Amino acid sequence: DADVTQTPRNRITKTGKRIMLECSQTKGHDRMYWYRQDPGLGLRLIYYSFDVKDINKGEISDGYSVSRQAQAKFSLSLESAIPNQTALYFCATSDLLGQGVGEQFFGPGTRLTVL
Amino acid sequence: DAKTTQPPSMDCAEGRAANLPCNHSTISGNEYVYWYRQIHSQGPQYIIHGLKNNETNEMASLIITEDRKSSTLILPHATLRDTAVYYCIVRVQDSNYQLIWGAGTKLIIKP
Repeated sequence: DADVTQTPRNRITKTGKRIMLECSQTKGHDRMYWYRQDPGLGLRLIYYSFDVKDINKGEISDGYSVSRQAQAKFSLSLESAIPNQTALYFCATSDLLGQGVGEQFFGPGTRLTVL
Repeated sequence: DAKTTQPPSMDCAEGRAANLPCNHSTISGNEYVYWYRQIHSQGPQYIIHGLKNNETNEMASLIITEDRKSSTLILPHATLRDTAVYYCIVRVQDSNYQLIWGAGTKLIIKP
């Protein structure tokens, strides 16, 4: 079984709809992240969480919210989806490794299309 | 925040060494250099990271110049499965431990 799973893998929705993307991990990591990726570009950080009680905004948090339900679960919500939120969304986890950030482990991604 | 510069694309013959350059001239003394790759829209995969010394693991080698302003990722015997976008990332200096991703280098391994 995959260490980091994302559901759904693909989603097509309409403008104004509320959407939730879910992420689960079995790696036992405290840190979890949500990224989005637009075609031809690198990943941009939306939100991240260092533990269950910790939520932090990333580079592009506007229009998104998150919930850390447990150490293993981190959900991303689009309260009212708009077409420019069409993108590939990745969840990632990491553990602290010495003084540097530990490597991040990524899920398979969710392809979201907002019509 | 330290930024990285990578060529947008490179080719390499199968079986040869692939050398991917990265410039990070504004890197700070305690910032690490990370390399990830992404195969065809899959989740990115960690390859290697380093601070000052050269590093090697089962996937690749990382060569960091003495002044730390640039680095090279080396895939010693490239295979077709190494075709991917390779990202060179420098960790930001503040406590947020964020990774700032550029557009990366599209490496195409040719038979």
